[in-house]
Amino acid sequence: AQKVTQAQTEISVVEKEDVTLDCVYETRDTTYYLFWYKQPPSGELVFLIRRNSFDEQNEISGRYSWNFQKSTSSFNFTITASQVVDSAVYFCALSEAYTNAGKSTFGDGTTLTVKP
Amino acid sequence: DSGVTQTPKHLITATGQRVTLRCSPRSGDLSVYWYQQSLDQGLQFLIQYYNGEERAKGNILERFSAQQFPDLHSELNLSSLELGDSALYFCASSVDSYTGELFFGEGSRLTVL
Repeated sequence: AQKVTQAQTEISVVEKEDVTLDCVYETRDTTYYLFWYKQPPSGELVFLIRRNSFDEQNEISGRYSWNFQKSTSSFNFTITASQVVDSAVYFCALSEAYTNAGKSTFGDGTTLTVKP
Repeated sequence: DSGVTQTPKHLITATGQRVTLRCSPRSGDLSVYWYQQSLDQGLQFLIQYYNGEERAKGNILERFSAQQFPDLHSELNLSSLELGDSALYFCASSVDSYTGELFFGEGSRLTVL
């Protein structure tokens, strides 16, 4: 069975601080995908990134960066120089690669509040 | 705007009733997924359709059913509703079953009184 754990329920930072959201996963699949989604106050879920299990390169997109470490089964998400608009619930998710790629197991989410 | 359209946005009904939630996927997407988001269970995968056929099933109750029509829109039918069915129901679509990147609609918030 797959499991995603986001131990941080809520995080509060002041604007311009860096913040890291932790994600730890469990799976018996040899190939899998990891995802991060953002759910702003408006409610819709927005796809941020997908990482393949065989690609451990870290990725940076603007102020966002992701650190995938297979050895510790972690896929952490860092926001640099946070902004108020980053306030949202962030979900980490895991799915079997290819066949059931959209059947994702989600963590419970981390609520990030960025204060001005 | 993800391109996925869900109706209705809000729905209030009574226990024992039946409701239908509708989803139009992004143009060109063949896969449709239904997810339930509730406070006690979080985000749970319910069911997936690909080009009209059921492809994967998750923790979907027997009282719930879904289908995908030839024009690729999908409907989720919830019957004999209980208080615990109150939740946000998301539809998501993807171009196929292999990439995993889901584009979610804004959700249908169901309240059962």
